[in-house]
Amino acid sequence: QKEVEQDPGPLSVPEGAIVSLNCTYSNSAFQYFMWYRQYSRKGPELLMYTYSSGNKEDGRFTAQVDKSSKYISLFIRDSQPSDSATYLCAMSAFGGSQGNLIFGKGTKLSVKP
Amino acid sequence: GAVVSQHPSWVICKSGTSVKIECRSLDFQATTMFWYRQFPKQSLMLMATSNEGSKATYEQGVEKDKFLINHASLTLSTLTVTSAHPEDSSFYICSAHQTYEQYFGPGTRLTVT
Repeated sequence: QKEVEQDPGPLSVPEGAIVSLNCTYSNSAFQYFMWYRQYSRKGPELLMYTYSSGNKEDGRFTAQVDKSSKYISLFIRDSQPSDSATYLCAMSAFGGSQGNLIFGKGTKLSVKP
Repeated sequence: GAVVSQHPSWVICKSGTSVKIECRSLDFQATTMFWYRQFPKQSLMLMATSNEGSKATYEQGVEKDKFLINHASLTLSTLTVTSAHPEDSSFYICSAHQTYEQYFGPGTRLTVT
């Protein structure tokens, strides 16, 4: 079993839809959870950073962490064509600065106008 | 915001030659930089942690004599792929640590023919 599992998609939705992206993990030592957005042939861009169970909201994005189920989600409201990208979840036991980030494979999202 | 650049963005080289990739933090100083490799449809995999003024720390399975890392200043780390082979063809991404986050460069696509 891989440490982090993420459905690679692709996921295609119409503009304005609510998008739900998910990752599961097996290592209970993970304490820090991140979501990155990666456009084609570009480096990842940090979207959300959380370190506790519950929800964290930033504009149209909501990150949800359920440590008891080892499950994290990213919700995108009112999705836009510009949201079309690959979304990577990442986790760490030591905080994002330590380099011990374990990434999911990424989910490719396409938002159709 | 924190900006990380990489050069070149794309390089093609012949098998057996060496290639150097530069990673720069443009508007902040980074004592620690990280090098990742990403194969198509795969996760980002940490190769090594680069610390300014000291030797890099390599992840298990990464050949330190093949992937030479030099972090000569607080804004520059270089990765040299020595005696490149076609199987080294990949997307190489660096990141730099600032406070609690990692900021990623745009990546370098290496193709070895």
